[in-house]
Amino acid sequence: QSALTQPPSASGTPGQRVTISCSGNSSNIGSNFVYWYQHLPGMAPKVVVYRNNQRPSGVPDRFSGSKSGTSASLAIGGLRSEDEADYYCAAWDDSLSGRVVFGGGTKVTVL
Amino acid sequence: EVQLVQSGAEVKKPGESLRISCKGSGYTFSNYWIGWVRQMSGKGLEWMGIIYGRDSDTRYSPSFEGQVLISVDKSINTAYLQWGSLKASDTAMYYCARRGFSSGEAIDIWGQGTMVTVSS
Repeated sequence: QSALTQPPSASGTPGQRVTISCSGNSSNIGSNFVYWYQHLPGMAPKVVVYRNNQRPSGVPDRFSGSKSGTSASLAIGGLRSEDEADYYCAAWDDSLSGRVVFGGGTKVTVL
Repeated sequence: EVQLVQSGAEVKKPGESLRISCKGSGYTFSNYWIGWVRQMSGKGLEWMGIIYGRDSDTRYSPSFEGQVLISVDKSINTAYLQWGSLKASDTAMYYCARRGFSSGEAIDIWGQGTMVTVSS
């Protein structure tokens, strides 16, 4: 069981907007930054959102992150076929001498 | 360019030992924590532990404490993940990852992954 809770799947047609939720608690999301990673098969995970809502250079502005209290979300607007991947949320957790906690991952399918 | 480059895929037999590596470049290695993450086939990401490049302060996830050894050689900007006696259940992809510099950060840079296969 993952420390952060994500839905296992999400889907949309090209051009639609998909939103993925991520729920944690006061020791992780509630007091630290949320990161989102895109993970394609056979590749290293890639940061698409850092520090709750910041996009690295090269990540399209179709990707946006938000955080409120102990929950966060990733929105992908104008869905494209290349967005089909697994998405993980993560945050530092202040308990147990410190660790990164992950969500279980959300498989985004472009229909 | 900031990057973490991991050693290549390994195929081992149960009971054998193994050390895989992760070399950082493009940044001041000793100022950052390096973590290790496991991904078993078809499963999600699991946090294994983390080590500080400057003083080797190491924190293990309870699930991996005593099962692996995390170390670092700051003279060559390299972190290691080591097993003394591999099991078939250690078969997985292993990623090293840098924790961001500021307080409250998670992983900001990932290595490309090292596939470890343990089979008789």
